[in-house]
Amino acid sequence: DAMVIQNPRYQVTQFGKPVTLSCSQTLNHNVMYWYQQKSSQAPKLLFHYYDKDFNNEADTPDNFQSRRPNTSFCFLDIRSPGLGDAAMYLCATSSSGQGGYTFGSGTRLTVV
Amino acid sequence: EDQVTQSPEALRLQEGESSSLNCSYTVSGLRGLFWYRQDPGKGPEFLFTLYSAGEEKEKERLKATLTKKESFLHITAPKPEDSATYLCAVHSLMEYGNKLVFGAGTILRVKS
Repeated sequence: DAMVIQNPRYQVTQFGKPVTLSCSQTLNHNVMYWYQQKSSQAPKLLFHYYDKDFNNEADTPDNFQSRRPNTSFCFLDIRSPGLGDAAMYLCATSSSGQGGYTFGSGTRLTVV
Repeated sequence: EDQVTQSPEALRLQEGESSSLNCSYTVSGLRGLFWYRQDPGKGPEFLFTLYSAGEEKEKERLKATLTKKESFLHITAPKPEDSATYLCAVHSLMEYGNKLVFGAGTILRVKS
């Protein structure tokens, strides 16, 4: 089945230690998104790739970076995680931004 | 700025007790309203897309309706397996394509 896969499902990192979350997709969608979702809050868009073009949300902290080496893969890098970055990170894809998005199962990040 | 507000924040129902969840939205030109189901520790799962006032969609015990200012998710004779968080989202126009702007969700608990 075509899908969006996120690894790892759970990630524990130390305060200030860089961490990378990964997302892969078999849908051949040209747009990939990273959302941050804190407990009992709405998912919040951090940034997205439209094809190879990177688009950052205005309020996304500089601590968050992303890479998309090819159509299928996208990475979220957190350069110096703080306690406030503990959250569920959701990867999603769409075909040219149209219709509903397909989400992965998420990565739950804990910062200790 | 496009906004989505969901109510109630939480809803407890007995099995078989029908009810409705509300999603009110403010958007400059609706390009789609989306309902997702999210189980604990997982990514959102797509349920419905609605595009114009008066439109209705159904799936098993769920029925989504849309007016010019709000959407309702009606749950008929719910079962315990319908327990989840239900998220509402609208397409918000970006420079490149759209982004989904989410509400904070309604946590539904159905007791047998």
